[in-house]
Amino acid sequence: GQQLNQSPQSMFIQEGEDVSMNCTSSSIFNTWLWYKQDPGEGPVLLIALYKAGELTSNGRLTAQFGITRKDSFLNISASIPSDVGIYFCAGQKGDSNYQLIWGAGTKLIIKP
Amino acid sequence: DGGITQSPKYLFRKEGQNVTLSCEQNLNHDAMYWYRQDPGQGLRLIYYSQIVNDFQKGDIAEGYSVSREKKESFPLTVTSAQKNPTAFYLCASSYTGGDGAFFGQGTRLTVV
Repeated sequence: GQQLNQSPQSMFIQEGEDVSMNCTSSSIFNTWLWYKQDPGEGPVLLIALYKAGELTSNGRLTAQFGITRKDSFLNISASIPSDVGIYFCAGQKGDSNYQLIWGAGTKLIIKP
Repeated sequence: DGGITQSPKYLFRKEGQNVTLSCEQNLNHDAMYWYRQDPGQGLRLIYYSQIVNDFQKGDIAEGYSVSREKKESFPLTVTSAQKNPTAFYLCASSYTGGDGAFFGQGTRLTVV
């Protein structure tokens, strides 16, 4: 099935650093979503984006819906240990089929 | 509190046995989904349902079956035909109008 191109696959960062990850697709989406998954748990929705060009923040997290509607990025500022986990992007085309198309995830690891 | 409940959290079964994973939601969502996640991998869609008494195959439906007799419930049966059933299974639900999906805490199935 179709998948989004999510990068990087993993990131090793120092506490306090800013983090950036992105998702791209050859298809247009009407909704972009960013999730975080902790080990052994289900993904939790962080940010939802509904309009091209939209920039939305949730605390230290900021995400943008690309102007072409084919990409999105997520930034985390001043990372802290609890940011560790896997971040997934997902796109929704918004036609009669409301399936989500998923990226493979970005694993965030914070170096002690 | 509204949410999605998956049970059990951990499940062990012998090879060749069918096993049913439970998923219940009280969010009044129309759509429900089952995903499979393997270590270090993203989410792969098994089945989804947008209304009661109707469901569609996802990308990896072979060896699985579902039913949707009630809006709140979407059980998944892993049959003996599934060649590699050991995995983390995630159930999700959403409004059919979008706004992303909300996940349960997952069931880790181990077949020995």
